[in-house]
Amino acid sequence: QVTLRESGPALVKPTQTLTLTCTFSGFSLSTSGMCVSWIRQPPGKALEWLALIDWDDDKYYSTSLKTRLTISKDTSKNQVVLTMTNMDPVDTATYYCARMMEATYGSGSTTRPFDYWGQGTLVTVSS
Amino acid sequence: DIQMTQSPSSLSASVGDRVTITCRASQSISSYLNWYQQKPGKAPKLLIYAASSLQSGVPSRFSGSGSGTDFTLTISSLQPEDFATYYCQQSYSTAITFGQGTRLEIK
Repeated sequence: QVTLRESGPALVKPTQTLTLTCTFSGFSLSTSGMCVSWIRQPPGKALEWLALIDWDDDKYYSTSLKTRLTISKDTSKNQVVLTMTNMDPVDTATYYCARMMEATYGSGSTTRPFDYWGQGTLVTVSS
Repeated sequence: DIQMTQSPSSLSASVGDRVTITCRASQSISSYLNWYQQKPGKAPKLLIYAASSLQSGVPSRFSGSGSGTDFTLTISSLQPEDFATYYCQQSYSTAITFGQGTRLEIK
């Protein structure tokens, strides 16, 4: 059974650094093709992808936020950590982590949708 | 970044209706298009991947089509539990992007 759970502070002050941890079970991030992403959603707004880390420790970031984000993994602990610097009230959102596992379709093509999600954690940025 | 544009932004429909939501990419993304359903206070749920492949456990009334830049999500006969917000998402680029969402409401 695949599960993911986000943890971190519910409230941070402007200019502070946010550190979120995604703890997962039911899969290994050392398995070829496996990835974990962070996605956020401001209240009443759309989903925004933030960052991805794959089984080979390759990392990808949102173009608009890449200077503020760092993603890392601890395979032995089944955890992925996201840090976001210089937090601002506009960063108030529910932050999700999600698994991306390689799926085959058609005549052998592959893709990686977000197939399992955590329940999300609301982070409020306020002084 | 590849921009994903959904239409309509909101839609009112009745139980039993056939509903279609469209998603357009700002450049060709082949079939690297996924659809999600999100209910209030819940995480999104994967419905369709690779434009037309139904995720395991998802009812067959959901279907997807398209390739290149234009895609559709169709619900053949709306059920009460289908009233939610739907998002498309492209995975063609490593800079993953979502559409702005389509809110499906009860008429």
